[in-house]
Amino acid sequence: KNQVEQSPQSLIILEGKNCTLQCNYTVSPFSNLRWYKQDTGRGPVSLTIMTFSENTKSNGRYTATLDADTKQSSLHITASQLSDSASYICVVSGRGSTLGRLYFGRGTQLTVWP
Amino acid sequence: NAGVTQTPKFRVLKTGQSMTLQCAQDMNHEYMSWYRQDPGMGLRLIHYSVGAGITDQGEVPNGYNVSRLKKQNFLLGLESAAPSQTSVYFCASSYPFSTDTQYFGPGTRLTVL
Repeated sequence: KNQVEQSPQSLIILEGKNCTLQCNYTVSPFSNLRWYKQDTGRGPVSLTIMTFSENTKSNGRYTATLDADTKQSSLHITASQLSDSASYICVVSGRGSTLGRLYFGRGTQLTVWP
Repeated sequence: NAGVTQTPKFRVLKTGQSMTLQCAQDMNHEYMSWYRQDPGMGLRLIHYSVGAGITDQGEVPNGYNVSRLKKQNFLLGLESAAPSQTSVYFCASSYPFSTDTQYFGPGTRLTVL
């Protein structure tokens, strides 16, 4: 069964600290993996998209890694800011997919405290 | 360039009432989708469209219908609302390639009493 599991479910860190969010998936065949940021009360916003051949991609203070062999991805946030408080969603697309084959994780709720 | 817009932002319905959620995008995207998001669950695909006049079912289509007469608009209908349809609904659009970014609207919060 194609699934996307994220951990931890929630995380609290202090402003300025780094953190890493995890995503494990069983989607096969694999096409790409996306990380989204969703602020409370708003729609998700894309942070990164990685294909099978990419193992790291950065977007400012956000760095995503992908290990297609172990089917794991991580999102590392550097020097966290209060505005990083949000839900971070991992989404995996199956190869040859249309929109009907996007598999969504349940998200990690990150809270950054001053 | 407004991106993806959704109307209304909030709505309260009584069981059995009908309504239409509207979604519009100004990015000339071929693909559009409707998702629902419930507490503790990931986004779930309701219906999607790969072009004007072409729609297909997603993971949770029961109780919903869709219409895409024009490329820029995608409508989600609830014919007879049920409390189980209380949720936040998101519309999204993108170009057709699997690596293209999906752009989400701000959401519609629907409560069915």
